[in-house]
Amino acid sequence: GESVGLHLPTLSVQEGDNSIINCAYSNSASDYFIWYKQESGKGPQFIIDIRSNMDKRQGQRVTVLLNKTVKHLSLQIAATQPGDSAVYFCAENNNQGGKLIFGQGTELSVKP
Amino acid sequence: NAGVTQTPKFQVLKTGQSMTLQCAQDMNHEYMSWYRQDPGMGLRLIHYSVGAGITDQGEVPNGYNVSRSTTEDFPLRLLSAAPSQTSVYFCASMRGLSTDTQYFGPGTRLTVL
Repeated sequence: GESVGLHLPTLSVQEGDNSIINCAYSNSASDYFIWYKQESGKGPQFIIDIRSNMDKRQGQRVTVLLNKTVKHLSLQIAATQPGDSAVYFCAENNNQGGKLIFGQGTELSVKP
Repeated sequence: NAGVTQTPKFQVLKTGQSMTLQCAQDMNHEYMSWYRQDPGMGLRLIHYSVGAGITDQGEVPNGYNVSRSTTEDFPLRLLSAAPSQTSVYFCASMRGLSTDTQYFGPGTRLTVL
């Protein structure tokens, strides 16, 4: 069946280092991918998205890479800060009425 | 804009009780949805609506009902609460149907005893 999963459930990095969070997806028909950040006790917050006709997109301190050949998505956070500590989810929109399929999530912990 | 709002923030029910989780958005979004999030897991889609008067089932619809009488509101009803429905519930809205971003509410933490 369809699934979007994350390789690592937890990631611990030193403040100032770069973070890379990975995600695998199985539905090659998906055409839109989103990364969300979820802080404790809050709803998911949009970070960055990418369409399937792109392989890279940059935002402020974040970059999303899409490799359709191996169905892999990654989120890179530059100069990670304590405020980046959260659970990060990837999600895919496979064009079925707007449904989002979420991965399990990766908890990012930033050490000062 | 207030965005997506949800009430209540917390709720404790006894098995068999019914209740309605409220969700509203003021962005004039056509698409709205309900997810549940269980510990250590991602969000799973319960029900969704592509516009007023239209609803459909998601991945885990059993035990829940929805209605969409207006564009703004999308309440989720638990007919007879069960401990397995203990979870955090998130409502989301989106402008379009495909390549668009879903905006989430703050969530309702529900405990069923």
